[in-house]
Amino acid sequence: EAGVTQFPSHSVIEKGQTVTLRCDPISGHDNLYWYRRVMGKEIKFLLHFVKESKQDESGMPNNRFLAERTGGTYSTLKVQPAELEDSGVYFCASQGGNYGYTFGSGTRLTVV
Amino acid sequence: RKEVEQDPGPFNVPEGATVAFNCTYSNSASQSFFWYRQDCRKEPKLLMSVYSSGNEDGRFTAQLNRASQYISLLIRDSKLSDSATYLCVVRKGGATNKLIFGTGTLLAVQP
Repeated sequence: EAGVTQFPSHSVIEKGQTVTLRCDPISGHDNLYWYRRVMGKEIKFLLHFVKESKQDESGMPNNRFLAERTGGTYSTLKVQPAELEDSGVYFCASQGGNYGYTFGSGTRLTVV
Repeated sequence: RKEVEQDPGPFNVPEGATVAFNCTYSNSASQSFFWYRQDCRKEPKLLMSVYSSGNEDGRFTAQLNRASQYISLLIRDSKLSDSATYLCVVRKGGATNKLIFGTGTLLAVQP
């Protein structure tokens, strides 16, 4: 079974630019989560999709972040415009039924 | 105050040692508890769930004390391959099912 796939693995962009991160969950998993780890801090929840609907987006930092999950399959997280404090590792995780989370390997975002 | 508190370490121990990690959580409504392991520049991976009755998986033993809101992980006979960051994780439950992470405890097992 393929795991959770995230793309790109690394991204370096300039402040003010736009970046889009992509997550492909495990096939059939309705629940998809985005998390972020900023350097020196703990991993923090950003939002949760159930299929294509946003179940909880309480962790989204501000309106520069936009997440979508078209058709309930893959998800994108867009940061526009990026700021220096957005640098970190963005993890996606999927969950199906009563199974635990499976995390993707993350996207390391550096804003310079 | 962080919702999940852990000693960041590092814990430097020799091979074969027994090491214990502790964690406290602030939300008494938390429903599920886990230890995750994260290797350098990798994703978190579930090590084990934690139950009030205590549970063991080989060299690893986890314990939950709901009254004290305290979670522990004991690693016996440490191996070099146990070197990693150990994350204490709590799930609030409810509709969102989101995980709350501690900052992690770094373990370095020395030869």
